Amino acid sequence: DTGVSQDPRHKITKRGQNVTFRCDPISEHNRLYWYRQTLGQGPEFLTYFQNEAQLEKSRLLSDRFSAERPKGSFSTLEIQRTEQGDSAMYLCASSSGLAVMISYNEQFFGPGTRLTVL
Amino acid sequence: AQSVSQHNHHVILSEAASLELGCNYSYGGTVNLFWYVQYPGQHLQLLLKYFSGDPLVKGIKGFEAEFIKSKFSFNLRKPSVQWSDTAEYFCAVNAGGFKTIFGAGTRLFVKA
Repeated sequence: DTGVSQDPRHKITKRGQNVTFRCDPISEHNRLYWYRQTLGQGPEFLTYFQNEAQLEKSRLLSDRFSAERPKGSFSTLEIQRTEQGDSAMYLCASSSGLAVMISYNEQFFGPGTRLTVL
Repeated sequence: AQSVSQHNHHVILSEAASLELGCNYSYGGTVNLFWYVQYPGQHLQLLLKYFSGDPLVKGIKGFEAEFIKSKFSFNLRKPSVQWSDTAEYFCAVNAGGFKTIFGAGTRLFVKA
């Protein structure tokens, strides 16, 4: 399977614990996005990487959230001191950089990591 | 701020019925518009997109959408739905740049 993969698929944690999610984009894609999706809502943009540079970060991403993309390949999203309100599906997407206009590039989504904070 | 509104959260149709899902956005400038679909147990995938040119765009599986600039709308249509179209459909808008805004989604159930 050469699509976007995410690990783990499910994570249950206790409030206050730290969690880390991983995303492996399609190998030739240099653009990577993280989204959060809660029940009954569409995906909400969290952050964007072009290669290893984090170029955009939503105000939804509090100081407890950090994302990295070392070497411009896989990316990690860490949530520190989790709260019950962090329970959601965390989606990763990637796109190529072929089109000049970033929004012209189709985003390919992974299966998501479902986080439950008890 | 940009926003996307999808009028129906749940739609139930019988096979062969026609489908129209509404989508309105709030942004006055040039936009790129998308419809994504998520079939049960599968990833979100692109159904169709509009960037410029003919406001009637055709996507996969017989879907089409019409961009009406004066109404800030991008409604999704299919003349005759099949049971396999049961899925959740998301309208999305990008006004240039990194951020794509998604609507809340419409769950479509097609009765066989």
